[in-house]
Amino acid sequence: GAGVSQSPSNKVTEKGKDVELRCDPISGHTALYWYRQSLGQGLEFLIYFQGNSAPDKSGLPSDRFSAERTGGSVSTLTIQRTQQEDSAVYLCATGGQRFTEAFFGQGTRLTVV
Amino acid sequence: AQRVTQPEKLLSVFKGAPVELKCNYSYSGSPELFWYVQYSRQRLQLLLRHISRESIKGFTADLNKGETSFHLKKPFAQEEDSAMYYCAATGGYQKVTFGTGTKLQVIP
Repeated sequence: GAGVSQSPSNKVTEKGKDVELRCDPISGHTALYWYRQSLGQGLEFLIYFQGNSAPDKSGLPSDRFSAERTGGSVSTLTIQRTQQEDSAVYLCATGGQRFTEAFFGQGTRLTVV
Repeated sequence: AQRVTQPEKLLSVFKGAPVELKCNYSYSGSPELFWYVQYSRQRLQLLLRHISRESIKGFTADLNKGETSFHLKKPFAQEEDSAMYYCAATGGYQKVTFGTGTKLQVIP
């Protein structure tokens, strides 16, 4: 596709359930970021992938959060045992090896009830 | 540590008034600076980058290395400027760092 695609657009889940959020990057983009945007709040960095390098996981808020990037392309953010405070919009962004611009997906709105 | 600071969470101005969204950075070396914007129900997108020295939608931003600032300015605010604005910095081959964002509210 022409842009960064995230799925699902909206996800409602029960507290305690696991969820998987998907990001399809722009073809050829080696850098991939996950961010969280809570209501009325700014961007919270979660994790950064760059090519084959070890990911920067320094932003993950707890061990319930994990992310993978298979084959340097699609990425999945997994949240285990979801809590109500996990409710937020999760954004994916991708870019080239040398940063010139980050291209954002439309986000996944997660609601934990 | 690399850091981008946007001191204001919310900035309210009247239509036609000047706008200045503040951004300060702490970075080793010579970072590249950017402003991103998120309009209601739209994706986050690049507004401008300091290296291009461009004016987009009437906005400009000047890099002040002495003050380590990259404030976003517009002489006359329009209602359609209401949005969330993020300042960002990178060392090129490094992870980009975003500020926490400033919500601009233009009052008619």
